[in-house]
Amino acid sequence: EAQVTQNPRYLITVTGKKLTVTCSQNMNHEYMSWYRQDPGLGLRQIYYSMNVEVTDKGDVPEGYKVSRKEKRNFPLILESPSPNQTSLYFCASSLRGRGREQYFGPGTRLTVT
Amino acid sequence: AQSVTQLDSHVSVSEGTPVLLRCNYSSSYSPSLFWYVQHPNKGLQLLLKYTSAATLVKGINGFEAEFKKSETSFHLTKPSAHMSDAAEYFCAVSGGSQGNLIFGKGTKLSVKP
Repeated sequence: EAQVTQNPRYLITVTGKKLTVTCSQNMNHEYMSWYRQDPGLGLRQIYYSMNVEVTDKGDVPEGYKVSRKEKRNFPLILESPSPNQTSLYFCASSLRGRGREQYFGPGTRLTVT
Repeated sequence: AQSVTQLDSHVSVSEGTPVLLRCNYSSSYSPSLFWYVQHPNKGLQLLLKYTSAATLVKGINGFEAEFKKSETSFHLTKPSAHMSDAAEYFCAVSGGSQGNLIFGKGTKLSVKP
């Protein structure tokens, strides 16, 4: 089944404790992206990747890191999480180019206390 | 630059009555436009997309949307609401070569019995 998977689905952590949210897709997509969703703000892009070893900042990259060492994986790293990073996070992937449908993972709900 | 404005944060309809969710966009390019749906505790699912073919686009579950360039609008409609349509709906625009999506802030649809 074609899908985007994320782990963990739920995470509660404390300020400053490094964490990684994994994202993997099995559709051989070049493009991958991370979003955060907050009430009343919709989805905002954190980082995206056009291909292996190619990443770029989205609209809200502060406090986040990403890497793209393999085509199928695009982990999101919070090296020192803070409470304002409490949010619902989505990973998405698509073929490259305009007009391509993005496929979304199920989401990771992160709480930083 | 691209942007999306969803004109209503919350729409409430009765089961069996028409649904109208409004979306205006701004784009420097010839845009590709999308509607996604998010059911509670789920990821985003594509309803339909416009990519410069027919201006009236039909999607899943009886939804359709009409691209109106003169009005910079891409409103989502359905003739008869079902209880299962209760969800949050996001309009998105993609105008750049990278395929990045810019999302609106979402419209929550409630369906009353």
